[in-house]
Amino acid sequence: NAGVTQTPKFQVLKTGQSMTLQCAQDMNHEYMSWYRQDPGMGLRLIHYSVGAGITDQGEVPNGYNVSRSTTEDFPLRLLSAAPSQTSVYFCASRFLTGNQPQHFGDGTRLSIL
Amino acid sequence: RKEVEQDPGPFNVPEGATVAFNCTYSNSASQSFFWYRQDCRKEPKLLMSVYSSGNEDGRFTAQLNRASQYISLLIRDSKLSDSATYLCVAPTGGSYIPTFGRGTSLIVHP
Repeated sequence: NAGVTQTPKFQVLKTGQSMTLQCAQDMNHEYMSWYRQDPGMGLRLIHYSVGAGITDQGEVPNGYNVSRSTTEDFPLRLLSAAPSQTSVYFCASRFLTGNQPQHFGDGTRLSIL
Repeated sequence: RKEVEQDPGPFNVPEGATVAFNCTYSNSASQSFFWYRQDCRKEPKLLMSVYSSGNEDGRFTAQLNRASQYISLLIRDSKLSDSATYLCVAPTGGSYIPTFGRGTSLIVHP
């Protein structure tokens, strides 16, 4: 049981480049989410999904797109990378019903030059 | 007012001390609460759930106070290895969107 898997673990981009951060979970969780974490800012929700085909914006969605074509996968796309998007990105998932906690991936450390 | 608030600390305590953190939340309809531990920008890891009746796991005790809308985490007999940031979580947005506090930093020294 791999849990939540994020790839890549590290990435350096140039301003204006696009890329996709991958997130996959094998726990059949309906709810998946993406956070970014910056020093002193805590975890901020970017986008979330409550099931395949359903996505919604979180606290800081600008500059990011998501899709949820399957229960397992929830990729995060940076459309045109900016230095302000330098951050650590975490993907998390949980069962939607019941008082269930989220499980996190290892994170992707992204630097935009 | 931020929906989930924590004292950022740092709390600097000697080994063996008892330390307590509080976390306030604004959504009175919240049902599920959690404490996570995060080490040095690694992924948050679930420490414990917070039940209405309280929850104890070894040296750690979590309590919920609905009237005052806060949850607490008590750590007894602190170890050096307890040094980390502790994040509280309360749901917002209709009960299934978890919102994290910014975390409380704990430093346990010899």
